[in-house]
Amino acid sequence: QVQLQESGPGLVKPSETLSLTCAVSGASISAYSWAWIRQPPGRGLEWMGYIDFAGNPTYNPSLEGRVSISPYTSENQFSLKLTSMTPADTAVYYCARVDSIPGDEFMDVWGKGTTVTVSS
Amino acid sequence: DIQMTQSPSSLSASVGDRVTITCRASQNIRDYLNWYQQKPGKAPKLLVYAISTLQSGVPSRFSATGSGTDFTLTITSLQPEDFATYYCHQSLHFPWTFGQGTKVDVK
Repeated sequence: QVQLQESGPGLVKPSETLSLTCAVSGASISAYSWAWIRQPPGRGLEWMGYIDFAGNPTYNPSLEGRVSISPYTSENQFSLKLTSMTPADTAVYYCARVDSIPGDEFMDVWGKGTTVTVSS
Repeated sequence: DIQMTQSPSSLSASVGDRVTITCRASQNIRDYLNWYQQKPGKAPKLLVYAISTLQSGVPSRFSATGSGTDFTLTITSLQPEDFATYYCHQSLHFPWTFGQGTKVDVK
C-alpha cells in the first residue's frame, strides 16, 4: 500500500530555513499530486501547497513567498522548504498524496507527521 | 480565500447517539468538499470525498450530504472509535482551506 514518511530536523532556530523530505513508497510521485499541510499545537489544519504530477507547484499565499515544494523523481521523494522561520511556524508538518476525480481533489494518504519546533 | 465554517466547534455525545456536523463555505464550492477525521497525535484520515462518497473502509454509519455552500457529516450511531476531531476541506479554489474542526468528545 502507499506509505509516506516525513523526515527532517525537529528543531530549527528563528530566521533559519526548514527543509523537510517526504519519502513515498507504493506509488510514483510522477503519477499524482503531493501536498504539505501543517498543524500548529492545539490548532487546525493549514494547507501549505502542492506539486502536481508534472512537478508544478502551487503555494498558499499566506506563506508570503517563503515556501517551496520540489519533486525528486529519481528518489520518489518530494521536499518542503520554508524560509525565515519564526516561532509561529512551530507545528506538526504532514505530507499527503492528492488524488482526484472529475469534480474533486482530496488528500487520501497522509504521512504520520513530523514535529518542528522553532526556538533559539 | 474561501472560508469554511464548521458548527458546532465541539460537542459531547454518548455511544449510540446520532451526531451531525455542519460545514458552510463562503462561496459555492460545487462538489469539491471533503471530510477528514483526526484522532489525538495522529494524522488526519480521509472519510468522505466529493461531498458524499465514503472513502474505502469507512463504516456505513458515516454519511454526508450537501450542495453549493452547505454540507453535513452525520454519524448515525456513534461508536467509541469515533471520538475525534472532524474537518471539512474545500479543494475548488487555491488556497485549499479547512474548517476549524469539530471535536466530538464523551458526554
